[in-house]
Amino acid sequence: GAVVSQHPSRVICKSGTSVKIECRSLDFQATTMFWYRQFPKQSLMLMATSNEGSKATYEQGVEKDKFLINHASLTLSTLTVTSAHPEDSSFYICSASLAGPSTDTQYFGPGTRLTVL
Amino acid sequence: AQSVTQLDSQVPVFEEAPVELRCNYSSSVSVYLFWYVQYPNQGLQLLLKYLSGSTLVESINGFEAEFNKSQTSFHLRKPSVHISDTAEYFCAVSDGYGAGGTSYGKLTFGQGTILTVHP
Repeated sequence: GAVVSQHPSRVICKSGTSVKIECRSLDFQATTMFWYRQFPKQSLMLMATSNEGSKATYEQGVEKDKFLINHASLTLSTLTVTSAHPEDSSFYICSASLAGPSTDTQYFGPGTRLTVL
Repeated sequence: AQSVTQLDSQVPVFEEAPVELRCNYSSSVSVYLFWYVQYPNQGLQLLLKYLSGSTLVESINGFEAEFNKSQTSFHLRKPSVHISDTAEYFCAVSDGYGAGGTSYGKLTFGQGTILTVHP
Protein backbone atom coordinates (compact mmCIF):
# COMPACT_ATOMS: atom_id res chain seq x y z
CA GLY A 1 0.00 0.00 0.00
CA ALA A 2 0.81 3.74 -0.03
CA VAL A 3 2.23 3.88 -3.54
CA VAL A 4 3.01 7.18 -5.23
CA SER A 5 3.76 7.43 -8.94
CA GLN A 6 5.27 10.18 -11.02
CA HIS A 7 5.07 10.78 -14.73
CA PRO A 8 7.22 11.17 -16.68
CA SER A 9 10.27 9.59 -15.11
CA ARG A 10 12.58 11.51 -17.43
CA VAL A 11 12.02 14.52 -19.65
CA ILE A 12 14.31 16.53 -21.87
CA CYS A 13 13.08 19.86 -23.15
CA LYS A 14 14.34 22.95 -24.89
CA SER A 15 14.98 26.16 -23.04
CA GLY A 16 11.88 28.35 -22.91
CA THR A 17 9.35 25.54 -23.03
CA SER A 18 7.10 24.38 -20.21
CA VAL A 19 7.06 20.93 -18.67
CA LYS A 20 4.32 19.31 -16.58
CA ILE A 21 5.05 16.60 -14.04
CA GLU A 22 2.27 14.51 -12.53
CA CYS A 23 2.21 12.99 -9.08
CA ARG A 24 -0.44 10.42 -8.19
CA SER A 25 -1.27 8.53 -5.04
CA LEU A 26 -2.40 5.17 -6.39
CA ASP A 27 -4.06 3.46 -3.46
CA PHE A 28 -4.85 6.16 -0.95
CA GLN A 29 -6.22 9.67 -0.73
CA ALA A 30 -3.67 12.34 -0.03
CA THR A 31 -4.94 15.57 1.43
CA THR A 32 -1.46 17.02 1.23
CA MET A 33 1.24 16.57 -1.37
CA PHE A 34 4.73 17.97 -1.34
CA TRP A 35 7.16 18.86 -4.10
CA TYR A 36 10.91 18.61 -3.59
CA ARG A 37 13.95 19.30 -5.67
CA GLN A 38 17.16 17.32 -5.36
CA PHE A 39 20.43 18.53 -6.82
CA PRO A 40 23.22 16.03 -7.49
CA LYS A 41 24.86 14.80 -4.29
CA GLN A 42 22.62 17.03 -2.19
CA SER A 43 19.61 16.53 -0.02
CA LEU A 44 15.99 17.15 -0.87
CA MET A 45 14.82 20.71 -0.64
CA LEU A 46 11.14 21.34 -0.12
CA MET A 47 9.72 23.58 -2.81
CA ALA A 48 6.06 23.74 -1.90
CA THR A 49 3.23 22.14 0.03
CA SER A 50 0.03 21.47 -1.84
CA ASN A 51 -3.36 20.94 -0.22
CA GLU A 52 -6.24 19.61 -2.28
CA GLY A 53 -8.52 22.36 -3.47
CA SER A 54 -6.41 25.26 -2.26
CA LYS A 55 -3.39 27.23 -3.35
CA ALA A 56 0.03 25.78 -2.76
CA THR A 57 2.31 27.17 -0.07
CA TYR A 58 5.75 27.89 -1.47
CA GLU A 59 8.99 27.88 0.45
CA GLN A 60 11.07 31.00 0.62
CA GLY A 61 13.01 31.57 -2.56
CA VAL A 62 10.81 29.41 -4.78
CA GLU A 63 9.14 31.36 -7.58
CA LYS A 64 5.46 30.46 -7.60
CA ASP A 65 4.96 31.88 -11.09
CA LYS A 66 7.69 29.65 -12.42
CA PHE A 67 6.74 26.46 -10.59
CA LEU A 68 2.97 26.17 -10.93
CA ILE A 69 1.35 23.61 -8.69
CA ASN A 70 -2.19 22.33 -9.06
CA HIS A 71 -3.79 19.86 -6.65
CA ALA A 72 -7.19 19.31 -8.17
CA SER A 73 -8.06 16.00 -6.53
CA LEU A 74 -7.11 13.84 -3.57
CA THR A 75 -4.98 11.63 -5.79
CA LEU A 76 -3.33 14.01 -8.26
CA SER A 77 -0.99 16.98 -8.03
CA THR A 78 0.89 18.53 -10.93
CA LEU A 79 4.01 20.67 -11.08
CA THR A 80 4.53 22.76 -14.20
CA VAL A 81 7.94 24.27 -14.79
CA THR A 82 7.22 27.28 -16.96
CA SER A 83 9.73 28.78 -19.39
CA ALA A 84 12.34 26.27 -18.32
CA HIS A 85 16.02 27.17 -18.33
CA PRO A 86 19.10 24.97 -17.98
CA GLU A 87 19.41 25.91 -14.30
CA ASP A 88 16.01 24.28 -13.73
CA SER A 89 17.54 20.92 -14.63
CA SER A 90 17.19 18.78 -11.55
CA PHE A 91 15.49 15.78 -10.00
CA TYR A 92 11.96 16.63 -8.93
CA ILE A 93 10.29 14.45 -6.34
CA CYS A 94 6.79 14.50 -4.98
CA SER A 95 5.43 12.96 -1.84
CA ALA A 96 1.95 12.39 -0.50
CA SER A 97 0.83 12.37 3.07
CA LEU A 98 -1.82 10.14 4.56
CA ALA A 99 -4.33 12.27 6.36
CA GLY A 100 -5.06 11.66 10.01
CA PRO A 101 -3.94 12.80 13.45
CA SER A 102 -1.96 9.70 14.35
CA THR A 103 0.50 9.57 11.48
CA ASP A 104 2.80 12.03 9.87
CA THR A 105 4.48 9.99 7.19
CA GLN A 106 5.12 11.00 3.63
CA TYR A 107 5.32 8.49 0.80
CA PHE A 108 7.59 9.45 -2.02
CA GLY A 109 7.32 9.08 -5.74
CA PRO A 110 10.26 7.75 -7.77
CA GLY A 111 11.15 11.20 -9.06
CA THR A 112 11.34 12.93 -12.42
CA ARG A 113 14.67 13.81 -14.00
CA LEU A 114 14.32 17.10 -15.90
CA THR A 115 17.01 18.14 -18.33
CA VAL A 116 16.69 21.52 -20.00
CA LEU A 117 18.88 22.02 -23.04
CA ALA B 1 13.04 26.46 12.53
CA GLN B 2 14.29 22.93 12.25
CA SER B 3 17.57 21.55 11.04
CA VAL B 4 19.12 18.14 10.60
CA THR B 5 22.80 17.29 10.53
CA GLN B 6 24.14 14.00 9.29
CA LEU B 7 27.70 13.96 10.49
CA ASP B 8 29.11 11.55 7.92
CA SER B 9 28.70 12.05 4.19
CA GLN B 10 30.14 8.61 3.39
CA VAL B 11 30.48 5.45 5.46
CA PRO B 12 32.32 2.49 3.97
CA VAL B 13 32.06 -0.83 5.82
CA PHE B 14 32.70 -4.49 5.15
CA GLU B 15 29.88 -6.98 4.87
CA GLU B 16 28.65 -8.38 8.20
CA ALA B 17 30.23 -5.51 10.15
CA PRO B 18 28.11 -3.27 12.37
CA VAL B 19 27.32 0.25 11.25
CA GLU B 20 26.02 3.47 12.79
CA LEU B 21 24.84 6.43 10.75
CA ARG B 22 24.64 9.53 12.86
CA CYS B 23 21.88 12.12 12.85
CA ASN B 24 21.39 15.15 15.07
CA TYR B 25 18.53 17.57 14.87
CA SER B 26 17.48 20.89 16.29
CA SER B 27 13.92 22.04 16.80
CA SER B 28 12.03 24.31 19.12
CA VAL B 29 9.01 22.01 19.25
CA SER B 30 8.27 18.34 19.60
CA VAL B 31 9.36 16.39 16.57
CA TYR B 32 8.73 13.35 14.55
CA LEU B 33 11.88 11.67 13.22
CA PHE B 34 12.41 9.56 10.13
CA TRP B 35 15.05 7.64 8.25
CA TYR B 36 14.62 7.23 4.52
CA VAL B 37 16.72 5.09 2.19
CA GLN B 38 17.40 5.80 -1.46
CA TYR B 39 18.79 2.93 -3.51
CA PRO B 40 20.60 3.77 -6.76
CA ASN B 41 18.22 5.07 -9.40
CA GLN B 42 15.21 4.74 -7.13
CA GLY B 43 13.02 7.05 -5.06
CA LEU B 44 13.11 7.49 -1.31
CA GLN B 45 11.63 4.74 0.80
CA LEU B 46 10.67 5.06 4.44
CA LEU B 47 12.95 2.90 6.57
CA LEU B 48 11.64 3.67 10.04
CA LYS B 49 10.07 6.46 12.03
CA TYR B 50 9.64 7.75 15.56
CA LEU B 51 6.34 9.43 16.31
CA SER B 52 5.83 8.73 20.01
CA GLY B 53 6.12 5.97 22.58
CA SER B 54 9.16 3.70 22.71
CA THR B 55 12.31 5.57 21.83
CA LEU B 56 13.77 2.53 20.07
CA VAL B 57 12.26 1.85 16.67
CA GLU B 58 13.06 -0.96 14.28
CA SER B 59 12.69 -1.67 10.61
CA ILE B 60 11.83 -4.98 9.01
CA ASN B 61 15.32 -5.41 7.54
CA GLY B 62 17.30 -5.21 10.76
CA PHE B 63 17.93 -1.48 11.13
CA GLU B 64 17.07 0.30 14.35
CA ALA B 65 17.22 3.87 15.57
CA GLU B 66 16.93 5.37 19.00
CA PHE B 67 15.43 8.74 19.76
CA ASN B 68 17.57 10.51 22.35
CA LYS B 69 15.88 13.74 23.35
CA SER B 70 18.65 14.96 25.66
CA GLN B 71 21.26 14.56 22.93
CA THR B 72 18.85 15.54 20.14
CA SER B 73 19.95 12.52 18.16
CA PHE B 74 18.35 9.76 16.13
CA HIS B 75 21.25 7.55 15.07
CA LEU B 76 20.62 4.60 12.77
CA ARG B 77 22.29 1.27 13.52
CA LYS B 78 22.52 -2.22 12.13
CA PRO B 79 24.52 -4.98 13.84
CA SER B 80 25.48 -6.76 10.62
CA VAL B 81 25.19 -5.18 7.16
CA HIS B 82 24.71 -6.81 3.79
CA ILE B 83 25.86 -5.81 0.33
CA SER B 84 22.25 -4.97 -0.45
CA ASP B 85 22.25 -2.26 2.22
CA THR B 86 24.44 -0.12 -0.02
CA ALA B 87 22.40 3.05 -0.54
CA GLU B 88 22.07 6.64 0.55
CA TYR B 89 20.33 7.23 3.86
CA PHE B 90 18.54 10.42 4.79
CA CYS B 91 17.51 11.49 8.25
CA ALA B 92 14.52 13.83 8.41
CA VAL B 93 12.54 15.71 11.03
CA SER B 94 8.97 16.96 11.00
CA ASP B 95 7.16 19.11 13.48
CA GLY B 96 3.90 17.42 12.59
CA TYR B 97 0.88 19.60 12.98
CA GLY B 98 1.89 23.22 13.25
CA ALA B 99 -0.25 26.08 14.44
CA GLY B 100 -3.36 26.13 12.31
CA GLY B 101 -2.13 23.11 10.42
CA THR B 102 0.01 25.26 8.19
CA SER B 103 3.15 23.23 8.70
CA TYR B 104 1.56 19.83 8.46
CA GLY B 105 4.09 17.16 7.73
CA LYS B 106 6.80 19.48 6.48
CA LEU B 107 10.01 17.48 6.40
CA THR B 108 13.49 18.87 6.79
CA PHE B 109 16.17 16.53 5.48
CA GLY B 110 19.77 16.03 6.39
CA GLN B 111 22.48 16.03 3.78
CA GLY B 112 22.45 12.26 3.40
CA THR B 113 24.97 9.52 4.18
CA ILE B 114 26.16 7.16 1.50
CA LEU B 115 26.62 3.71 2.98
CA THR B 116 28.84 1.45 0.90
CA VAL B 117 29.12 -2.17 1.94
CA HIS B 118 32.16 -3.97 0.60
CA PRO B 119 32.48 -7.76 0.28
